[in-house]
Amino acid sequence: GAVVSQHPSWVICKSGTSVKIECRSLDFQATTMFWYRQFPKQSLMLMATSNEGSKATYEQGVEKDKFLINHASLTLSTLTVTSAHPEDSSFYICSARDQGAPNQPQHFGDGTRLSIL
Amino acid sequence: GQQVMQIPQYQHVQEGEDFTTYCNSSTTLSNIQWYKQRPGGHPVFLIQLVKSGEVKKQKRLTFQFGEAKKNSSLHITATQTTDVGTYFCAAPIQGAQKLVFGQGTRLTINP
Repeated sequence: GAVVSQHPSWVICKSGTSVKIECRSLDFQATTMFWYRQFPKQSLMLMATSNEGSKATYEQGVEKDKFLINHASLTLSTLTVTSAHPEDSSFYICSARDQGAPNQPQHFGDGTRLSIL
Repeated sequence: GQQVMQIPQYQHVQEGEDFTTYCNSSTTLSNIQWYKQRPGGHPVFLIQLVKSGEVKKQKRLTFQFGEAKKNSSLHITATQTTDVGTYFCAAPIQGAQKLVFGQGTRLTINP
């Protein structure tokens, strides 16, 4: 079945560091990918929609200069948390929609646990 | 904006008891999806319901989509310790591809 690979699985870094998370669709093309954030014991909250070849669309309250999204190819979207601080510590999850199967559910990556010290 | 309300937030049962979680929306949904997230894990897709009144079964799990396509439920018969986790419903926001998730129901089981 369709697979979405997310890397890295976990990151621990110092405050002020920028962290890049990759989301790849391994066996399908995705013009649209989604980035979610999940704080402990909470639900998934959509941060932004990543569009191949164009600017990402951010949800209300999400700082676009803080969370840089690049979707340069049909199989790769990246999320960069710039100058990360402890409050950015969270579980970040991407998902991708198979453009060849638009009525099928999105495919989720395994998530990235980010801990900022 | 559109929201999907999910209840209960927590449910603790004895092993062997049944469990049900409910999702409701104020607007008609094109489809509804259910996910399971084990402690420390990532959400895993369980099922998608599309048709009004649809009922689908996966072994001990029964999923229902309301006639008005505004509510859905997940029922687990005779829970087992492997059912522990948080169950989320999710639905596409009207006219868009992005999903909005319910708050989730955390299921814990006493063996």
